[in-house]
Amino acid sequence: QKEVEQDPGPLSVPEGAIVSLNCTYSNSAFQYFMWYRQYSRKGPELLMYTYSSGNKEDGRFTAQVDKSSKYISLFIRDSQPSDSATYLCATTGGFKTIFGAGTRLFVKA
Amino acid sequence: SAVISQKPSRDICQRGTSLTIQCQVDSQVTMMFWYRQQPGQSLTLIATANQGSEATYESGFVIDKFPISRPNLTFSTLTVSNMSPEDSSIYLCSVRTDTNYGYTFGSGTRLTVV
Repeated sequence: QKEVEQDPGPLSVPEGAIVSLNCTYSNSAFQYFMWYRQYSRKGPELLMYTYSSGNKEDGRFTAQVDKSSKYISLFIRDSQPSDSATYLCATTGGFKTIFGAGTRLFVKA
Repeated sequence: SAVISQKPSRDICQRGTSLTIQCQVDSQVTMMFWYRQQPGQSLTLIATANQGSEATYESGFVIDKFPISRPNLTFSTLTVSNMSPEDSSIYLCSVRTDTNYGYTFGSGTRLTVV
């Protein structure tokens, strides 16, 4: 079993839709949870990070962590074509960071 | 946050040859990290490069195959040696963000071995 599981997609949605991206993880010791966005031919960029359970909002993006079910979510409201990218979840419990394989998202104009 | 310049951005190499990837950071950092990103797979840490000491390699990666240099606090190189098609991948240099809870990445080097 992988430590972090993420559906690779691709996920295709129309512009303006609400997007839900999800990951599960296996190690309950993980405390910090991150989402990265990676455009084609670019390196990943840190989008959001949260500590422990709960929600964190930043503009159109909301990160949600449910430690009881070991479930991480990223919601994108009013999705735009510029949101088309690969989204990677990641988690860390200290010095070791584990990344998901990424979900490819396409937002159609 | 730090800005990372990585080169080359892409290369096509013959099997059996070596390629050195350069990573320049616009600020001094203690640790620099080298990752590999294979299609459909998660980012995998190859090694951590500290200035003035040997790099620390993760399980499955060895110095003979991926020698790393770290001559100062803003620069590092990763060499992919004696390449085979299985080494075709994206290689990424990274540093910790200011918050220490994430990473800033370079744009990556897309390597194809033929």
